Amino acid sequence: RKEVEQDPGPFNVPEGATVAFNCTYSNSASQSFFWYRQDCRKEPKLLMSVYSSGNEDGRFTAQLNRASQYISLLIRDSKLSDSATYLCVVNRATDKLIFGTGTRLQVFP
Amino acid sequence: GAGVSQSPRYKVTKRGQDVALRCDPISGHVSLYWYRQALGQGPEFLTYFNYEAQQDKSGLPNDRFSAERPEGSISTLTIQRTEQRDSAMYRCASSLLAGPETQYFGPGTRLLVL
Repeated sequence: RKEVEQDPGPFNVPEGATVAFNCTYSNSASQSFFWYRQDCRKEPKLLMSVYSSGNEDGRFTAQLNRASQYISLLIRDSKLSDSATYLCVVNRATDKLIFGTGTRLQVFP
Repeated sequence: GAGVSQSPRYKVTKRGQDVALRCDPISGHVSLYWYRQALGQGPEFLTYFNYEAQQDKSGLPNDRFSAERPEGSISTLTIQRTEQRDSAMYRCASSLLAGPETQYFGPGTRLLVL
């Protein structure tokens, strides 16, 4: 079993839709959590950190449930430019990041 | 400012040859990380440095893989006696400080072993 698990998708949604991705992690010692975005044939880039209280950045909302060991990302009012792979990432109090396989999102007109 | 750069961008080599992949981090960044990414997968941790000190090499697949960062800036990942299974995208990232900071990734080196 992988330490960070995600549904690979693809999620195909129309413009304007709301879409949610979940991610589970197996190591309860994980301390920091992130969502990275990776466009096709490009490098991953930090989308947002995930805090226990939940946090929002414009159309993006991230939540963390430590008891159930899952992380979510909600995207409202999807844009064509949101099409990408979203990588769930955890850190175990070291500098090492553990990436999930990514969830592919395709937004269509 | 300049981001993380990697060279070469593409490398084709024959099985059994040694290859050296270079990473030039963002100037002043303390930490440097190496990852390997297979198609359809997330980056897989290989090793990392704080300044010139290698902190964790637990992700290196075997002893054919090694990395160095002798002056705390540029790093080289070396793969000896390459095998076809080594074919992948090798990505470097750097962060300003040690710890779970934002990591900035380079464009990667696509390695193909024939």
